Amino acid sequence: EAQVTQNPRYLITVTGKKLTVTCSQNMNHEYMSWYRQDPGLGLRQIYYSMNVEVTDKGDVPEGYKVSRKEKRNFPLILESPSPNQTSLYFCASKFLSLGTSGGVQETQYFGPGTRLLVL
Amino acid sequence: SQQGEEDPQALSIQEGENATMNCSYKTSINNLQWYRQNSGRGLVHLILIRSNEREKHSGRLRVTLDTSKKSSSLLITASRAADTASYFCATEPSGNTPLVFGKGTRLSVIA
Repeated sequence: EAQVTQNPRYLITVTGKKLTVTCSQNMNHEYMSWYRQDPGLGLRQIYYSMNVEVTDKGDVPEGYKVSRKEKRNFPLILESPSPNQTSLYFCASKFLSLGTSGGVQETQYFGPGTRLLVL
Repeated sequence: SQQGEEDPQALSIQEGENATMNCSYKTSINNLQWYRQNSGRGLVHLILIRSNEREKHSGRLRVTLDTSKKSSSLLITASRAADTASYFCATEPSGNTPLVFGKGTRLSVIA
């Protein structure tokens, strides 16, 4: 079954205590990304990775790190979490294929989400 | 019309030689990306160059961007038979619009 998994699903932590949220996909997708979702702000992209060892900042990268040492895993690292990073986090992977008109057809798969509370 | 246009459409070289592919586009862009696609497979991202960058390297790949001429080139040095694939440039136009791909250059590296 094609899926994106995240762990943990729920996490309560304190300010400054480093944490890692893991993300894994079994579809051999090159592209993976992390989003955070906050009320009234929708999904905002934190970081994305086009391929192994290739990562780049999204819209809200401050306070986050990522790594992509292998294709299936894309962990999100908060070195020193702060209360403003309390949010719902989603990992996603997608497959790009070229359509006949020259455009790109994307199928994006999201993980179940990780709800993080930083006290 | 398509944003990116690759040149040449097909390129055949001997293993060990360098391969250069060019891409031209028409409007302002946030960035330009190069992808590889092996026959029957999905797109694999190779390299991204932002509009304020002029040159970028990644392993045997070298990409240049000339925003005044609205063109980019992809150089693959010391080519290998495994580099045989189609190569596409894709532009991310300004204004957060979707990527637009060119028709691609089919590269054949002969051992």
